[in-house]
Amino acid sequence: SAVISQKPSRDICQRGTSLTIQCQVDSQVTMMFWYRQQPGQSLTLIATANQGSEATYESGFVIDKFPISRPNLTFSTLTVSNMSPEDSSIYLCSVGQTGARTDTQYFGPGTRLTVL
Amino acid sequence: GENVEQHPSTLSVQEGDSAVIKCTYSDSASNYFPWYKQELGKRPQLIIDIRSNVGEKKDQRIAVTLNKTAKHFSLHITETQPEDSAVYFCAPFNKFYFGSGTKLNVKP
Repeated sequence: SAVISQKPSRDICQRGTSLTIQCQVDSQVTMMFWYRQQPGQSLTLIATANQGSEATYESGFVIDKFPISRPNLTFSTLTVSNMSPEDSSIYLCSVGQTGARTDTQYFGPGTRLTVL
Repeated sequence: GENVEQHPSTLSVQEGDSAVIKCTYSDSASNYFPWYKQELGKRPQLIIDIRSNVGEKKDQRIAVTLNKTAKHFSLHITETQPEDSAVYFCAPFNKFYFGSGTKLNVKP
């Protein structure tokens, strides 16, 4: 399985500022995703990070608010822009493994964001 | 759009009893049916999965059964232990959407 790291692990930010979260994988993977998980809730898919092209956003999420980069097959960033307290959540990066188990997802440890 | 329903939302069992969680989906094109376990404060991890050409799969105390006609699949945990306490998610689509989750509490 892929080893995934995220930075930062947690942060406390002021309203109106932006935070960029990094996701690093120890091997090349085809698919990378960003999720949001609010306390006690399920995982909500924000977008699929596409290598070399614009991310594919889910309904309710827009590029201006959550710009995503994926410069190569092992790295992606998610920026939470112009933050408000409603953006307080855990943000998780996940990857779809290459090879036979292309449907299985592996998750990073998450970034706990608190917006004051 | 795709719909997935997971039941129950919470489940409390006595240690040693069995637990069953059911996931109902709408997309008949789904062909991969995983279950993920998320312990408190940790990341979700795959615990078992099944593909559409198989009706049941077992791995020690856990099993998954699939009924494609009725569009549901279930997670079965036998001889539950306190360390099984967690939130369990199904993700029955190839588009990586997750069910609402089931919080399982195993009482010692």
